[in-house]
Amino acid sequence: GQNIDQPTEMTATEGAIVQINCTYQTSGFNGLFWYQQHAGEAPTFLSYNVLDGLEEKGRFSSFLSRSKGYSYLLLKELQMKDSASYLCAVFSGGYNKLIFGAGTRLAVHP
Amino acid sequence: IAGITQAPTSQILAAGRRMTLRCTQDMRHNAMYWYRQDLGLGLRLIHYSNTAGTTGKGEVPDGYSVSRANTDDFPLTLASAVPSQTSVYFCASSDPLSGTDTQYFGPGTRLTVL
Repeated sequence: GQNIDQPTEMTATEGAIVQINCTYQTSGFNGLFWYQQHAGEAPTFLSYNVLDGLEEKGRFSSFLSRSKGYSYLLLKELQMKDSASYLCAVFSGGYNKLIFGAGTRLAVHP
Repeated sequence: IAGITQAPTSQILAAGRRMTLRCTQDMRHNAMYWYRQDLGLGLRLIHYSNTAGTTGKGEVPDGYSVSRANTDDFPLTLASAVPSQTSVYFCASSDPLSGTDTQYFGPGTRLTVL
């Protein structure tokens, strides 16, 4: 079957670093996406990993290990505006296209 | 228009009524998608279209239909709405030829079926 797991909720302090984990079991793998979604808004693209390793983009980094079915999103120098849900999604190909996890709701407090 | 738009923003609908959610994109993306998002379940694919004139079923297609008459528009129709179709609906588009096939989402339609 297709399964993507990520923690439901996390809290962190402004200025700190937080790591959001995602594990997946899918019938195929063509890449992994991370999206950010603020409450009441659309998901917006953050990062895409297709090869193992770390992709850095400003304060956000994403890591992928295909052999372990594992990814994480690292957020540095947290700001209040980073309070949002973070969605992990696997591009498995076929009719399913993107398979989404349920999302991790991150609350950043002062 | 810049990007992808959806209409209406929100709607309250009586059960049994027919409803069409509209989606338009101006990015000339070949692929378009409809998702529903429910608390605790994440985004689930309803229908998709790889190119104008073709459509396909996603994970949860029952009770919904789509059409793709041209590149820009991808309407989603609920023929006879039921309360379980209460959800937030997101339309998305992507350009599979771009290499990453990143999907870009519209602002969503919040639908309540009573």
